[in-house]
Amino acid sequence: QVQLVESGGGVVQPGTSLRLSCVASGFTFDFRHYGMHWVRQAPGKGLEWVSIIYNDASTKFYGDSVKGRFTVSRDDSEKILYLQMNGLTVEDTAIYYCATDGSHREIDMWGQGTLVTVSS
Amino acid sequence: QSVLTQPPSVSAAPGQKVTISCSGSSSNIGSDYVSWYQQLPGTAPKLLIYENNKRPSGIPDRFSGSKSGTSATLGITGLQTGDEADYYCGTWDGSNWVFGGGTKLTVL
Repeated sequence: QVQLVESGGGVVQPGTSLRLSCVASGFTFDFRHYGMHWVRQAPGKGLEWVSIIYNDASTKFYGDSVKGRFTVSRDDSEKILYLQMNGLTVEDTAIYYCATDGSHREIDMWGQGTLVTVSS
Repeated sequence: QSVLTQPPSVSAAPGQKVTISCSGSSSNIGSDYVSWYQQLPGTAPKLLIYENNKRPSGIPDRFSGSKSGTSATLGITGLQTGDEADYYCGTWDGSNWVFGGGTKLTVL
């Protein structure tokens, strides 16, 4: 059974930074073999893809709304996925989910999310 | 404005069948597999369908998926009140993942 637990959310002011973490656990889950996504959901809105980091740790892609401001990284030894968010705006207010990249071109397993609120 | 277009809402009575459409383009649905996600109120999304029409372990066969050209469809038969949720389609568009805007299913 794979478990993904996000943390690091909170209330921050516009223009500031925040780093989210996603810890993976599960006896048979080999984190290093998985690409990992970040997906967010603004209050009352739909899903918005944020970023992916592949298992080589160097191939990364970002959605247009966060490109140049957010950076995804991973620590395979600790099974942790990170999202460094800089220059936050009120439009970044959302629940942020981490999820695994499946082997069939899908987003597979999802965490429960962490809420980021950007407000003055 | 989402890259993939879904109807905002659909509704049907318990026991009935409903379909949810997802329309895209040659650069996304036309080029790659489509997956579907169910989001029950207050919970994280869950994978429902992958590779256009395959169900992960534990997903009942009341849920089905299909794809034709640049459109995909999710079908749900034998509707139950527990199926009330938001449903999202998704796929790759080049190196970016894209979602539909979501469809709220109401079981009357």
